[in-house]
Amino acid sequence: DSGVTQTPKHLITATGQRVTLRCSPRSGDLSVYWYQQSLDQGLQFLIQYYNGEERAKGNILERFSAQQFPDLHSELNLSSLELGDSALYFCASSPPARGLEQYFGPGTRLTVT
Amino acid sequence: GEDVEQSLFLSVREGDSSVINCTYTDSSSTYLYWYKQEPGAGLQLLTYIFSNMDMKQDQRLTVLLNKKDKHLSLRIADTQTGDSAIYFCAESINSGGGADGLTFGKGTHLIIQP
Repeated sequence: DSGVTQTPKHLITATGQRVTLRCSPRSGDLSVYWYQQSLDQGLQFLIQYYNGEERAKGNILERFSAQQFPDLHSELNLSSLELGDSALYFCASSPPARGLEQYFGPGTRLTVT
Repeated sequence: GEDVEQSLFLSVREGDSSVINCTYTDSSSTYLYWYKQEPGAGLQLLTYIFSNMDMKQDQRLTVLLNKKDKHLSLRIADTQTGDSAIYFCAESINSGGGADGLTFGKGTHLIIQP
């Protein structure tokens, strides 16, 4: 158990809908990262937040957005969902003193039908 | 741009050593990682190495880095059935203050034969 929690574990929704995935980082970690894992694209970095501020952007679609709240939990919002958005979404966190180490949560499996 | 390549499958006998290979393309100062993913689980950080190091050892794990060829390997000594998993190589640029998002390879499925 990495100490990173993600909810929900599974989510099934229809095309065109909007969902919110939630992540709680390990205690004391200030950075949160979001990744998408799909069969065709593999693991892709989406976005990073550090202490509430956006820090780095990867291959995140414009239909997707994220934020990090004052209590450091983070949410990833996915809108106008398409079949191709079906994937595992991982959150990772890293500590301020050892920012090179990213610890991953168990993931949220999103199925778009 | 960053690109990380690794072979998709590796089959070894239980008790033998496993060597999983990876190549990367970014020549900037970088950190290189190995993660393990078991079925239905998240990614577990195994180890990482900075690009100015040649080797890092941690119990049964040995990481070797050839900077000239941009080649990274993970050796698992005395491979056990519990080592059966997908192993991901990943690269990150440190832009100061910690790692940015990781660029992952496609993963190597390690299959253990009894």
